Amino acid sequence: GQQLNQSPQSMFIQEGEDVSMNCTSSSIFNTWLWYKQEPGEGPVLLIALYKAGELTSNGRLTAQFGITRKDSFLNISASIPSDVGIYFCAGHSGGSGGSNYKLTFGKGTLLTVNP
Amino acid sequence: GAGVSQSPRYKVAKRGQDVALRCDPISGHVSLFWYQQALGQGPEFLTYFQNEAQLDKSGLPSDRFFAERPEGSVSTLKIQRTQQEDSAVYLCASSLASGFQETQYFGPGTRLLVL
Repeated sequence: GQQLNQSPQSMFIQEGEDVSMNCTSSSIFNTWLWYKQEPGEGPVLLIALYKAGELTSNGRLTAQFGITRKDSFLNISASIPSDVGIYFCAGHSGGSGGSNYKLTFGKGTLLTVNP
Repeated sequence: GAGVSQSPRYKVAKRGQDVALRCDPISGHVSLFWYQQALGQGPEFLTYFQNEAQLDKSGLPSDRFFAERPEGSVSTLKIQRTQQEDSAVYLCASSLASGFQETQYFGPGTRLLVL
């Protein structure tokens, strides 16, 4: 099936630092989504991207939908302790075998923020 | 309003036991999804309902897995003769309608441990 390659697997940073993580795919995606999951909870949507080249911000978070439609990145500026969690990229794949409802997820980036 | 709820939150089963996991979607949401999340991995699609119709069950790992949504609201994921490899978090999500621009809202998940 579809696979998303998400990196880095984990990050340990100091409070106030900026963070960047990315996701790549071998096939085209129609959407790119970024979710955050905290322990014992389900994923919560942070940012949704629907057009190639789209750059969207949500507070201190900024994400971009790659021009090739095969990649996306998420930046977090001025990190704070409550940013701790696992960040997942996800998307709906296009082309043969794709769907407009089935989400494919990356393996996640574990973010730890040291106060 | 209330989000997606799931019960039980935790389930310990002996190998070979049958289990039933319940999902209460957000009221009025047409689409309902089940995902399986293994430890250290992103969620993986299991099945999709539009109202009471199961339109895609391509992600169900084996015929021991069965899902239903008889009245187009509450859904149950049943696993028969559980095996140790079934241990995972089972996430339910719902969306207002189908389509890739519809946000999927996730429940907190049911953590299943098969001994």
